[in-house]
Amino acid sequence: DGGITQSPKYLFRKEGQNVTLSCEQNLNHDAMYWYRQDPGQGLRLIYYSQIVNDFQKGDIAEGYSVSREKKESFPLTVTSAQKNPTAFYLCASSTRTGLGPGANVLTFGAGSRLTVL
Amino acid sequence: AQSVAQPEDQVNVAEGNPLTVKCTYSVSGNPYLFWYVQYPNRGLQFLLKYITGDNLVKGSYGFEAEFNKSQTSFHLKKPSALVSDSALYFCAVIFTTSGTYKYIFGTGTRLKVLA
Repeated sequence: DGGITQSPKYLFRKEGQNVTLSCEQNLNHDAMYWYRQDPGQGLRLIYYSQIVNDFQKGDIAEGYSVSREKKESFPLTVTSAQKNPTAFYLCASSTRTGLGPGANVLTFGAGSRLTVL
Repeated sequence: AQSVAQPEDQVNVAEGNPLTVKCTYSVSGNPYLFWYVQYPNRGLQFLLKYITGDNLVKGSYGFEAEFNKSQTSFHLKKPSALVSDSALYFCAVIFTTSGTYKYIFGTGTRLKVLA
């Protein structure tokens, strides 16, 4: 089945540690996104990538980093510079933006819940 | 500024009754509007979208939404609610900036369908 796989599902981090969240898709989608979800705040965009080897900062990129070396993969690193990293992280992908029937529809992974101890 | 508002944090409805989850938006130009649903500890799932054409859009699981340009609204509706519809619902809009499409999500509305 095509879809997006995020791992790990749960992750615990100590203060000062970097952690990397994995996101892999087999949908052949060009665009990939990372969102952070906090209660009552909806989804906030961290980073996005529309093509391999290229990515842009979203609204809350500080303390995070990404790479896009392969079309299928878009890992997110939460660095020690992120002051309040406890959250639910969602990876998503979509076809190249346009006006086709499937265009712009985001497919989400099941999420990764990060807790700082 | 571009924005999406979901004025209700929670909506309670009895099973079998019609449900409405409200969404209003503010974007320049023509809006692309979406509804997504999220079940506990899961990612969001696409329900339906409005790009152009008929103002009444039908989507998955019997949901529909009505685009109202004059009221800048895109309310989600279902004629008869099921307990299994209980979930968190997000309205979203796409707008273009510098040639890039960007999503804005509302803060979500928790729907509780009571048996």
